[in-house]
Amino acid sequence: KAGVTQTPRYLIKTRGQQVTLSCSPISGHRSVSWYQQTPGQGLQFLFEYFSETQRNKGNFPGRFSGRQFSNSRSEMNVSTLELGDSALYLCASSSSLSGGGNTQYFGPGTRLTVL
Amino acid sequence: KQEVTQIPAALSVPEGENLVLNCSFTDSAIYNLQWFRQDPGKGLTSLLLIQSSQREQTSGRLNASLDKSSGRSTLYIAASQPGDSATYLCAVTLIKAAGNKLTFGGGTRVLVKP
Repeated sequence: KAGVTQTPRYLIKTRGQQVTLSCSPISGHRSVSWYQQTPGQGLQFLFEYFSETQRNKGNFPGRFSGRQFSNSRSEMNVSTLELGDSALYLCASSSSLSGGGNTQYFGPGTRLTVL
Repeated sequence: KQEVTQIPAALSVPEGENLVLNCSFTDSAIYNLQWFRQDPGKGLTSLLLIQSSQREQTSGRLNASLDKSSGRSTLYIAASQPGDSATYLCAVTLIKAAGNKLTFGGGTRVLVKP
């Protein structure tokens, strides 16, 4: 079974631009979560989508948004990029059989650099 | 607010020694606790998941214990190898959060010297 895939793997953008990252979950998984990882703040939860609906949201500004498609693939968008948005963005999928608290499988991440 | 702490932040051991990694959390109302491994610049690999009703979980050389009442989990890695060098992260899922939101500790960076 193929793992979680994320595209692109690397991105370089300038301040003020916007960016869209993509995540394809493991086949059959309906839950996709996004995390931001930085050296200073560690891993922080952005949001979770389940069956095309946002189920959980972290404490990030409205510039960070996401969506999920009917095939469970998910995208996250960051508008008006700031230097502090430079990070490794990870997505994770799970089967969500019981509604929550399931094993999370992570993708390799997208490394975003904002200049 | 749930806080997850991992001490020490870094650890260096000679090959063959057993590794003991600690994780503590402040809110005991958890669904489960997961241990992950992360290699530099890479994604996370799930190692073990312990449900809140379990006391421990084992997989090969790995054993993780959970003491919900004291808010602690310990990951033991027996007979460490250089290939075990990585950052180890623990994360909890809160019952009240619902879904699959994980709250992570800061991680312990492990170096196993040949």
